[in-house]
Amino acid sequence: EAGVVQSPRYKIIEKKQPVAFWCNPISGHNTLYWYLQNLGQGPELLIRYENEEAVDDSQLPKDRFSAERLKGVDSTLKIQPAELGDSAVYLCASSLIRTDTQYFGPGTRLTVL
Amino acid sequence: SQKIEQNSEALNIQEGKTATLTCNYTNYSPAYLQWYRQDPGRGPVFLLLIRENEKEKRKERLKVTFDTTLKQSLFHITASQPADSATYLCALVWGSGAGSYQLTFGKGTKLSVIP
Repeated sequence: EAGVVQSPRYKIIEKKQPVAFWCNPISGHNTLYWYLQNLGQGPELLIRYENEEAVDDSQLPKDRFSAERLKGVDSTLKIQPAELGDSAVYLCASSLIRTDTQYFGPGTRLTVL
Repeated sequence: SQKIEQNSEALNIQEGKTATLTCNYTNYSPAYLQWYRQDPGRGPVFLLLIRENEKEKRKERLKVTFDTTLKQSLFHITASQPADSATYLCALVWGSGAGSYQLTFGKGTKLSVIP
């Protein structure tokens, strides 16, 4: 069974540029999560989807971050414009709806110069 | 305020010994507690789950305990091996309504098993 797929794995951009990350969850998993992980810290939830609906986006900085999950499968997280402090690893995870075990992708390491 | 603390940022032990990692929390009422392993450049991988009404859970060389009175979980790796070297994250699982769950992670403890 394929795991959670994320791309790109690495991205280097200059500040004020836009950037987008893509996630393909495990087949059949209705719930999708985007996390941010800073160095030496645990993952922090940005947004959670159940099917196409964003059911928890309270921690998403909406002035510059946006996300979508069209058709309830793949998801894209966007930052526009990026700031130096956005440098981190962005993790995507998925789970069966109403269960708690989450399966994580490898993450996208973003460096903002 | 809510807080999750893992006892140390780094732990070094000798191969063959038992590694014990601690996770303490305040101002949470978790339904479960999970432990994850994270290797460099990879996402966390689920290891074990323990529910609030369970005292202990085992899986091969891994053992987790959960004391809701002390608000603490201990994670043990017996007969540790260099391949066990990784960062271990504890995560509190709490209900967020309508049957959905959220995870809140600790910062993790980086375990190094020395041959």
